[in-house]
Amino acid sequence: DAGITQSPRYKITETGRQVTLMCHQTWSHSYMFWYRQDLGHGLRLIYYSAAADITDKGEVPDGYVVSRSKTENFPLTLESATRSQTSVYFCASSEGRGWVTQYFGPGTRLTVL
Amino acid sequence: GQQVMQIPQYQHVQEGEDFTTYCNSSTTLSNIQWYKQRPGGHPVFLIQLVKSGEVKKQKRLTFQFGEAKKNSSLHITATQTTDVGTYFCAGQRNTGKLIFGQGTTLQVKP
Repeated sequence: DAGITQSPRYKITETGRQVTLMCHQTWSHSYMFWYRQDLGHGLRLIYYSAAADITDKGEVPDGYVVSRSKTENFPLTLESATRSQTSVYFCASSEGRGWVTQYFGPGTRLTVL
Repeated sequence: GQQVMQIPQYQHVQEGEDFTTYCNSSTTLSNIQWYKQRPGGHPVFLIQLVKSGEVKKQKRLTFQFGEAKKNSSLHITATQTTDVGTYFCAGQRNTGKLIFGQGTTLQVKP
């Protein structure tokens, strides 16, 4: 189903460039999350949002910026990409703050050269 | 900070053998969730455990939550090739944030 989508699915960029990863959900879920997945680290929370215009830091927020002007969208921006930000990025949403199921998007594989 | 440790990191089994992954938290959890990620896919929710000592079953999968609510396990009986993937536990404290373990990657030899 296309309840939560991410774009682009793959992205190659260079060090120092700004990159924005998009996330869109059609369920009107209140909470949205951004995770990065790296070998040996599992899923680490970057930022989350409880509602439109409400965002908060997760475990690894440095180098990332988020916004949430509309409930359905939660873009993640890397202001000046670094090689250490090469990762797979997953967006997720839930009706509550983790108390209930988190639904994950398909992921964006980002490579920073 | 809060950590959720998961072992083993990798497990290779022959089809038909059993498999178990363990999840341990340094602090008491309010609940624990389990997710499965197929190769190249995204995490998919399997189950949530809330009560101390809770045991839940889904066909060949058995999930347990420890009495102290600091550990959990997922046991798969008689693995099949469709069980291949990475299994994540995710623990939550009363503060709300969900902390994922590193995951256990299961390979099943036919």
